[in-house]
Amino acid sequence: ETGVTQSPTHLIKTRGQQVTLRCSSQSGHNTVSWYQQALGQGPQFIFQYYREEENGRGNFPPRFSGLQFPNYSSELNVNALELDDSALYLCASSPGGSSSYNEQFFGPGTRLTVL
Amino acid sequence: SQKIEQNSEALNIQEGKTATLTCNYTNYSPAYLQWYRQDPGRGPVFLLLIRENEKEKRKERLKVTFDTTLKQSLFHITASQPADSATYLCALDEMDSSYKLIFGSGTRLLVRP
Repeated sequence: ETGVTQSPTHLIKTRGQQVTLRCSSQSGHNTVSWYQQALGQGPQFIFQYYREEENGRGNFPPRFSGLQFPNYSSELNVNALELDDSALYLCASSPGGSSSYNEQFFGPGTRLTVL
Repeated sequence: SQKIEQNSEALNIQEGKTATLTCNYTNYSPAYLQWYRQDPGRGPVFLLLIRENEKEKRKERLKVTFDTTLKQSLFHITASQPADSATYLCALDEMDSSYKLIFGSGTRLLVRP
C-alpha cells in the first residue's frame, strides 16, 4: 500500500509568480485535503476535494485553487504569490467519503519559499 | 469560530515518566477530537480519535481523555521514551463542517534519556 506522496519537496519562487503543487492520495482514498502550515503553527485547512468536486474551503483567497483528478490525485495552485505564502503545504487523504471524521493520512509536504 | 489552545512551551520530561499534554477549546463542543504527532520536516501522523460521547480512549502507551464540561482533552504518554520526542497536535471538527479540521499549534515534547 503506497502512502500519500507530494511533489516537489522544496520550491523557491518570487513574489507574483504562480506555483502548482501535486499530491497522490493513498490507495483507496477518494478524499484529499490541503493544509498550509507556517513555522511554529498548526496546519490550516485550505480546501477539500471529494470525487473531483471541492467539498469545502477554509479562509483562503481565491488565488488558492485546486483540482482533483479521476484517480483522486490532486493539485494545489497558488497565483500571485506573496511573501506570507511561504510555508509547508500538506496534502492529506482519507477514506470513506467526504467527512473528515476519518483520520487524515498526511504526505511529507512541500516546503514553499517565496522571495 | 472555534479556537484551540495548546501549551506553546515545550514539555521536558525524564524517560520513563508520564507525559501529559493539554488541548483546550473555547467554543462549541466538537463531535470528535483527534491527536497527531509531527516530527520536524514531516507531515503529521494520526494517533488517536475520541468522540464526544467517549470519556477515554487508549492505544498501547497512549491515553486520551475528553471532558466536554471543561472543554478540554488530555493526551498522556506513559513510560515515555526519547523516541516519543516530537510535536503533538490536537485537532477537532468545525461546527456544521465535518470535513474541516481545525488544528492547534501543537506542543513540543522532549524526553530526556
